[in-house]
Amino acid sequence: KNEVEQSPQNLTAQEGEFITINCSYSVGISALHWLQQHPGGGIVSLFMLSSGKKKHGRLIATINIQEKHSSLHITASHPRDSAVYICAVDYNTDKLIFGTGTRLQVFP
Amino acid sequence: DAGVIQSPRHEVTEMGQEVTLRCKPISGHNSLFWYRQTMMRGLELLIYFNNNVPIDDSGMPEDRFSAKMPNASFSTLKIQPSEPRDSAVYFCASSLDRAFFGQGTRLTVV
Repeated sequence: KNEVEQSPQNLTAQEGEFITINCSYSVGISALHWLQQHPGGGIVSLFMLSSGKKKHGRLIATINIQEKHSSLHITASHPRDSAVYICAVDYNTDKLIFGTGTRLQVFP
Repeated sequence: DAGVIQSPRHEVTEMGQEVTLRCKPISGHNSLFWYRQTMMRGLELLIYFNNNVPIDDSGMPEDRFSAKMPNASFSTLKIQPSEPRDSAVYFCASSLDRAFFGQGTRLTVV
């Protein structure tokens, strides 16, 4: 069983829709990361969270430590948001454990 | 800063050949990670270094894989001999408080 579970695995949306991607983990962590992998393969770090909520442009990430759950939201989605979104957690070991990723496709 | 720099971007090699992947981390970062990404297994951690010292290499699949970090600005991942099942994208990442990834090396072993 993967220690980091993401849902959904695949997601399609129409441009402008509000997107939510979920991530659950099993034990206490020191930090949670949201990563974006573009179709060309490059990986970009979007957020690092240890509590609360962070916002960057149309992207919002939240984490609930008690429930061991994080969400990544995209408001007013756009085709250029199409990518794989990966949740990764740091279990106080200074290395990341990755979720399986969510493949998002946003159609015009 | 140019970010994490990996080379080569693409590598095609014949089975049995030695392959060396290179990584230059972001200056000042004290941790360096090598990951492998395949369709079947997603992203997997192979090995990570802290202050140039290998901390955990439990993800290295076999003795054919080896990694070195001779100094704070350079690391290599070597596969000898390479096999077709090693075909994957290999990512290097460095971190101080947040992980930054290189663009990856797409390795194809034929």
